[in-house]
Amino acid sequence: DVKVTQSSRYLVKRTGEKVFLECVQDMDHENMFWYRQDPGLGLRLIYFSYDVKMKEKGDIPEGYSVSREKKERFSLILESASTNQTSMYLCASQGGTVGTDTQYFGPGTRLTVL
Amino acid sequence: GNSVTQMEGPVTLSEEAFLTINCTYTATGYPSLFWYVQYPGEGLQLLLKATKADDKGSNKGFEATYRKETTSFHLEKGSVQVSDSAVYFCALSSMKTSYDKVIFGPGTSLSVIP
Repeated sequence: DVKVTQSSRYLVKRTGEKVFLECVQDMDHENMFWYRQDPGLGLRLIYFSYDVKMKEKGDIPEGYSVSREKKERFSLILESASTNQTSMYLCASQGGTVGTDTQYFGPGTRLTVL
Repeated sequence: GNSVTQMEGPVTLSEEAFLTINCTYTATGYPSLFWYVQYPGEGLQLLLKATKADDKGSNKGFEATYRKETTSFHLEKGSVQVSDSAVYFCALSSMKTSYDKVIFGPGTSLSVIP
């Protein structure tokens, strides 16, 4: 079974803090994704990575950056957290061949910015 | 562009009732279609998928048929259980070079009461 783990289930930070969310997958997948989930808005893609050190912006990248130094690990960084970044953050991984379109999700990190 | 529309929730049903959650999509080409489920406190997991017109995906008593003529992929279950209480996301994938971009609907919350 594919396993995607996220570093924290719950996180509380102060406005202006730098926040790191980490995601690790164990299936040697090329593609990894960060989404945020908000009530009524579904999942919105923040950033994704299709290879080590490669990244592309998703639909809502403002205020976020990412890092992928190793294939299994994909980090989301909030450079200066703000209250409107309070949300559930979901990481996902996906195989690298066209047609392997199932995404595998971690349990999520619920971030509260005070 | 590609999009997914789901019926508004929340949906509340009694145990053993029949469930339908409507999903329609807009897409160019021939996307794969999915239903993902998110149980309380967890990430999303794939419930079922269909990759071409008239395919039926099924799992855990849930079914959905890929209807290209009506651009729909409605989720059904004949007899729901309390353990089916969750948020259900309809999604489609569209091929983007080396990976399949997945677009999610807003989700439909289901509560099943004894």
